Amino acid sequence: DAKTTQPPSMDCAEGRAANLPCNHSTISGNEYVYWYRQIHSQGPQYIIHGLKNNETNEMASLIITEDRKSSTLILPHATLRDTAVYYCIVRVEEDDKIIFGKGTRLHILP
Amino acid sequence: KAGVTQTPRYLIKTRGQQVTLSCSPISGHRSVSWYQQTPGQGLQFLFEYFSETQRNKGNFPGRFSGRQFSNSRSEMNVSTLELGDSALYLCASSRLSILSGGATNEQFFGPGTRLTVL
Repeated sequence: DAKTTQPPSMDCAEGRAANLPCNHSTISGNEYVYWYRQIHSQGPQYIIHGLKNNETNEMASLIITEDRKSSTLILPHATLRDTAVYYCIVRVEEDDKIIFGKGTRLHILP
Repeated sequence: KAGVTQTPRYLIKTRGQQVTLSCSPISGHRSVSWYQQTPGQGLQFLFEYFSETQRNKGNFPGRFSGRQFSNSRSEMNVSTLELGDSALYLCASSRLSILSGGATNEQFFGPGTRLTVL
């Protein structure tokens, strides 16, 4: 089973900030949180990752709660091109596996 | 630099046949991981090869196998195809193994091979 829980779908108005939540209540102290997205008919694309500090890059921001049991991916100004399935992934060290969940299907509304 | 390439892009097979898919990683990347994506199951990890050795394998039957060559190119083989094997098969490359690369080890995905089993 995936170690993360995400809502199956979300809507966001174009130009607004899209906030995608992820729960990872069993995350270990040395596990990272990674975010990928998959636009229809393309391979998954790396977005951002973090350990415990908030991170920001040219694509998004990642906010990780102090207890590290959940995180939020923020797309500051969503565009129609951000319509995709967003995957939140935690490295599962003890099983030596990378497990993807079903992700969140984000719909950007014009 | 060139991205991850996969061949063929599309493939149609019948039940019981076998298929081999190919993946060429980004130059300098030693890790190649394979994933299966279906509408119902989402993206599922198949296995990873690093320096010609399989590092890990997901929850798939033994019909799914792979190998990696000295130039880091990888092949995935599926034998005795079943209808449920119809999917988009993605490979991803990274500089280090996905199990030990940590924070700076990004994966780069190819466009995928769409396999249809009739």
